[in-house]
Amino acid sequence: DADVTQTPRNRITKTGKRIMLECSQTKGHDRMYWYRQDPGLGLRLIYYSFDVKDINKGEISDGYSVSRQAQAKFSLSLESAIPNQTALYFCATSDRTEGAGYEQYFGPGTRLTVT
Amino acid sequence: GDSVTQMEGPVTLSEEAFLTINCTYTATGYPSLFWYVQYPGEGLQLLLKATKADDKGSNKGFEATYRKETTSFHLEKGSVQVSDSAVYFCALSESSGGGADGLTFGKGTHLIIQP
Repeated sequence: DADVTQTPRNRITKTGKRIMLECSQTKGHDRMYWYRQDPGLGLRLIYYSFDVKDINKGEISDGYSVSRQAQAKFSLSLESAIPNQTALYFCATSDRTEGAGYEQYFGPGTRLTVT
Repeated sequence: GDSVTQMEGPVTLSEEAFLTINCTYTATGYPSLFWYVQYPGEGLQLLLKATKADDKGSNKGFEATYRKETTSFHLEKGSVQVSDSAVYFCALSESSGGGADGLTFGKGTHLIIQP
C-alpha cells in the first residue's frame, strides 16, 4: 500500500462549487503539506502543518483552506472553486529528524478541473 | 526569498548520451538540496539529495554535487536510457528555522530520451 494517498485522483467541478481534497499517510510523520503544480511553474506551496494544532499559510493560500483532522489526515478545501484553480494538487509529508534534510514524500496527486 | 532556477526544457537526447541539467539556487541560510523526478501520470519521487556543501548525492546512475561557492546542484548521468524520460525538479529546503516550511522548487525540466 502507498504511504501517502490522495482522494479523489481526478475531479471535474463547476465554478462556485465547494470541493475537498483528502490526504492520508501511514508514514507516521508530523509534517504535512499541500502543493499545486501548474505547467511551467513547478510546484508551489499552499498550506503546511507541523501537527494537528499548527497550520500555516504557504506562498499561495488565497482561495484555499485546510483541516488537519488527525496526525495522518490533512484535507484541502476550495470554498468556491474558480477556473484558475485548475491544476494538479499534491500532498506531501516529512519527518522531524534533524539532519535528514527534511526530505518530503509525495502522494500521487489529484487532477482538478474547474469549468 | 529563496529561489531555484533550472534549465528550461524540453531537453531531447539520444539513448546513451551524457546528461546535464543545470540548477542554481538562492537561499539565505544553509539549505538542503534535492532532485525529484516525476514520471508521466505519477507523483514526485526523490531521486537524490545533499545536505551540506561538497556532498554528492547519487542514485540510479544520477549524480549531483552541492557546490556552495557557485550555489549550484547540477544533475548528471553518464548514459541515459529511454526509461529516464520524465520531468526533473530541483528543490531546496532551508535548514534555518527547521527547514520545515516546505520545499522551494524550480519550474522543472522535461527530459525526452529517444531510442
